[in-house]
Amino acid sequence: TQLLEQSPQFLSIQEGENLTVYCNSSSVFSSLQWYRQEPGEGPVLLVTVVTGGEVKKLKRLTFQFGDARKDSSLHITAAQPGDTGLYLCAGILTGGGNKLTFGTGTQLKVEL
Amino acid sequence: NAGVTQTPKFQVLKTGQSMTLQCAQDMNHEYMSWYRQDPGMGLRLIHYSVGAGITDQGEVPNGYNVSRSTTEDFPLRLLSAAPSQTSVYFCASRLSRVTEAFFGQGTRLTVV
Repeated sequence: TQLLEQSPQFLSIQEGENLTVYCNSSSVFSSLQWYRQEPGEGPVLLVTVVTGGEVKKLKRLTFQFGDARKDSSLHITAAQPGDTGLYLCAGILTGGGNKLTFGTGTQLKVEL
Repeated sequence: NAGVTQTPKFQVLKTGQSMTLQCAQDMNHEYMSWYRQDPGMGLRLIHYSVGAGITDQGEVPNGYNVSRSTTEDFPLRLLSAAPSQTSVYFCASRLSRVTEAFFGQGTRLTVV
């Protein structure tokens, strides 16, 4: 079992639909990041959240860090084909650890 | 500015062979990490380093060795390749504990 579990694992939707991706753990994180990865490339950072309850918006993407800092969500409004990719959450545990741990990933496909 | 450079991009090994995956960064980052990516499992941490001369194990370290003799380079050694090590390997660097991770383009390794 991995430290960060994402759901759903796969998501195929039509252009214009809304969607939410979840990143859950039983551990507390000092910070949570979201990355997007395209085929043949390394992941690229979308956002970092550090405060419990924090909400950040990046155009049509809304990121939320849970109050207890154990979970996070990514909501996309009016998805577009350009949103297609693998979405990964990643975090650093509280307590002084230096490991950046990644979630299991959500593969999103947005079709016309 | 090259960022994180990984070589080679593709490699086929026979079971039992050894090889070194190279990773270099030119951003003067202290933190460097190696991940492997397998379908449905996101990125799993193999080894990481928080500075020259300092390395530590991640989630899946068995069968891999690392060293960090300079800030710029963080090679990953496969001692005796096994089919279970077939994967895509990513090297990442970051400036500090909670900052953005920058990734190389990956090495696709097949062990036959």
